[in-house]
Amino acid sequence: QQQVKQSPQSLIVQKGGISIINCAYENTAFDYFPWYQQFPGKGPALLIAIRPDVSEKKEGRFTISFNKSAKQFSLHIMDSQPGDSATYFCAASMGGTYKYIFGTGTRLKVLA
Amino acid sequence: SQTIHQWPATLVQPVGSPLSLECTVEGTSNPNLYWYRQAAGRGLQLLFYSVGIGQISSEVPQNLSASRPQDRQFILSSKKLLLSDSGFYLCAWSLGRVTEAFFGQGTRLTVV
Repeated sequence: QQQVKQSPQSLIVQKGGISIINCAYENTAFDYFPWYQQFPGKGPALLIAIRPDVSEKKEGRFTISFNKSAKQFSLHIMDSQPGDSATYFCAASMGGTYKYIFGTGTRLKVLA
Repeated sequence: SQTIHQWPATLVQPVGSPLSLECTVEGTSNPNLYWYRQAAGRGLQLLFYSVGIGQISSEVPQNLSASRPQDRQFILSSKKLLLSDSGFYLCAWSLGRVTEAFFGQGTRLTVV
């Protein structure tokens, strides 16, 4: 119940295409869902986050879609660029705790 | 603005040797502090978190320990390293409950 399942493990997208990464969770007590971007040899950086009271959040080319009933959320990267090539992690946390549960990561490669 | 410092960036240690990794946060008070480990190609595993000086919660039984001697200082230690302790260690901080977590640049530990 504490897991966050992330797919796909790796993804190759052409420049200008849409990258979609999916995450699913079981624990309905989770109420904060961030996405992190990590470049090789660096720490993860917060990209965008959503709470379950909204179904979508957009920041520039990055959009989180949230489906509370299905207990799923996804990251969409529009107009993907080679500079977006990185590993992306979804995560979940619940009110009343300080812990973040991370997915296993998706390695994205955007071809020029 | 808040910054997080983690050092060293890389470390090669022999099996059986001690370990001390240090993390400090600047520009904020009473942060929540975290140690994560990331194995090659894997997700982030929460090792320890702390909500205050001297308060340490351990998530995974292991060969490591953590201490928080000062409000903005978090130390990861081991008395005797194992080969399985190799990995990428990340320190992170957050404020309050269910807010963004910010990561340091990580320490690449190789136990030989």
